[in-house]
Amino acid sequence: ETGVTQTPRHLVMGMTNKKSLKCEQHLGHNAMYWYKQSAKKPLELMFVYSLEERVENNSVPSRFSPECPNSSHLFLHLHTLQPEDSALYLCASSQEASAESSGNTIYFGEGSWLTVV
Amino acid sequence: AQKVTQAQTEISVVEKEDVTLDCVYETRDTTYYLFWYKQPPSGELVFLIRRNSFDEQNEISGRYSWNFQKSTSSFNFTITASQVVDSAVYFCALSEAWDTGRRALTFGSGTRLQVQP
Repeated sequence: ETGVTQTPRHLVMGMTNKKSLKCEQHLGHNAMYWYKQSAKKPLELMFVYSLEERVENNSVPSRFSPECPNSSHLFLHLHTLQPEDSALYLCASSQEASAESSGNTIYFGEGSWLTVV
Repeated sequence: AQKVTQAQTEISVVEKEDVTLDCVYETRDTTYYLFWYKQPPSGELVFLIRRNSFDEQNEISGRYSWNFQKSTSSFNFTITASQVVDSAVYFCALSEAWDTGRRALTFGSGTRLQVQP
């Protein structure tokens, strides 16, 4: 069983819908991440949360809105998405998210496959 | 800026062959970490190895081995006696220290390995 679980695994939504992706980590980590994986593109970091504080927003459009209510849970709220937003969205966690701890391994969930129609 | 290059887009081998996946990186950091992840069709990124910039010792884990050469900025991954279950996309990644003091992973574009029976 993975230490990072994501739901739903698959989501199809219309461009006018509002939906959310959920992530939960069971590893006792303090940092959580959202990555986006599109076809034929490298994984892109979207957001980083450290101790529930957003510490990085990597030029992500406002139609993606993250929320981290506690160190174990991370959400990605989606609204008015475009077809080009269809991708695999991966949640991840690590013990810390600081440069001083750059050796921390990041553990990933299985991802949520999103299709925008 | 940090960069990770995996020049091999796709490799196909026959079971029991050895295969090497190449990874070349660029960084201005003196302290950094390199990672390899495996992504099976299910989507989850599975952590394989972490190596810091001060440790150039090669590592072997079962059929997997890694060759880190700082002089050529390479961190290559070899699978010995490949098996069908090794079929996946393999990502090389580099940890970077952002100006804010936070970190994240920069991923290569991945190499798809297909092992034929």
